[in-house]
Amino acid sequence: DVKVTQSSRYLVKRTGEKVFLECVQDMDHENMFWYRQDPGLGLRLIYFSYDVKMKEKGDIPEGYSVSREKKERFSLILESASTNQTSMYLCASSPKGQETQYFGPGTRLLVL
Amino acid sequence: GENVEQHPSTLSVQEGDSAVIKCTYSDSASNYFPWYKQELGKGPQLIIDIRSNVGEKKDQRIAVTLNKTAKHFSLHITETQPEDSAVYFCAARLWGSGGYNKLIFGAGTRLAVHP
Repeated sequence: DVKVTQSSRYLVKRTGEKVFLECVQDMDHENMFWYRQDPGLGLRLIYFSYDVKMKEKGDIPEGYSVSREKKERFSLILESASTNQTSMYLCASSPKGQETQYFGPGTRLLVL
Repeated sequence: GENVEQHPSTLSVQEGDSAVIKCTYSDSASNYFPWYKQELGKGPQLIIDIRSNVGEKKDQRIAVTLNKTAKHFSLHITETQPEDSAVYFCAARLWGSGGYNKLIFGAGTRLAVHP
């Protein structure tokens, strides 16, 4: 079974803090994705990566950055957290050439 | 920009009834349409998908239909059971300028199946 794990299920941070969300997959997938999920807006793509040290902006990259130093790990970074970044963050991975994305359980982030 | 519209946002049915969720997409180049199910406290999981070269696909109690001309596709669940209660997302594949592709998701439908 494909397993995508996210470092925290719940996180509370203060405005202005630097926040790291970690995602690890154990199936040697080339592709990794970060989404945020908000009621009424569905899943929106923040950043994605098709290889180590490679990153591409998604639809809403502002206020976020990412890091992919190792194939199995994709980190989402909020340089200076703001209250409008309170959301559910979902990480996903997929094998090269395949469309199916495998999601982690999500991290619910609250920025106060 | 390109988007996927999904309706209804909430759907309540009695156990044993059918449920239908509809999506429309804007990019005529889209050729792959997956449906994901998200249960409480979990990440979304693929339940069925369809490609543009077919009009319908079935897997036991679930089916998906695609009308490329009208740019809409639908999820049909028959003989619903309480364990079908979840949030369902449709998506369409969009090709980017860098040769990469990504999924555009609908807003989601919360399905409640009442015993």
